[in-house]
Amino acid sequence: QLQLQESGPGLVKPSETLSLTCTVSGGSIVSSAYYWGWIRQPPEKGLEWIGIINYHGDTYYNPSLQSRVTLSVDPSRNQVSLQLKSVTAGDTAVYYCARFKTVPSSSFCDYWGLGSLVTVSS
Amino acid sequence: EIVLTQSPGTLSLSPGERATLSCRASQNVWSNYLAWHQQKPGQAPRLLIYGASSRATGIPDRFSASGSGTDFTLTISRLEPEDFAVYYCQQYGSSPYTFGLGTKLEVK
Repeated sequence: QLQLQESGPGLVKPSETLSLTCTVSGGSIVSSAYYWGWIRQPPEKGLEWIGIINYHGDTYYNPSLQSRVTLSVDPSRNQVSLQLKSVTAGDTAVYYCARFKTVPSSSFCDYWGLGSLVTVSS
Repeated sequence: EIVLTQSPGTLSLSPGERATLSCRASQNVWSNYLAWHQQKPGQAPRLLIYGASSRATGIPDRFSASGSGTDFTLTISRLEPEDFAVYYCQQYGSSPYTFGLGTKLEVK
């Protein structure tokens, strides 16, 4: 059974960098069939796609966040990481790790983690 | 970016009834790359439908979906108690992938 477990600080100060790690169990991230990525949901708001990465390190980012986001992979630990720099209160959200199944010219989210609430506050 | 508008915002129905949820895109969804996800409180969201009409693994056949271009529909033929949740449509035909704001399906 595939499991995606998000981990990281629940509280980040404004202007600092938000860092989260997703540990994948029950499956390997080393697969050409999948990308791995992040989606977030601010309180009482909709879902926002952040970006995806494959085990080669190929990335696709949401243009609205591209200047502040970095995704990385560690195949040896079966982990995917998210860094979001210069955060503000607007980055307060539940951050979901997700698996994306590749299809011609795209990929769709077929498995979600439980999510991790990150609050930006001093 | 493509904006997805879901309607209604809230749908109040009883178990056994039929639910019809709508998702309208601001422009054509390329290759009908449209998915539906279900979210229940305290649980991870779950993929129901991909490619506008294909059920994901393990999804009961009371869930069906259709549509193309800009208009898409999710239908639940006979509501079970566990179906009351929030449903999101998502397009993955154009970057950035975007989601609708959701339809909350509640017990009447």
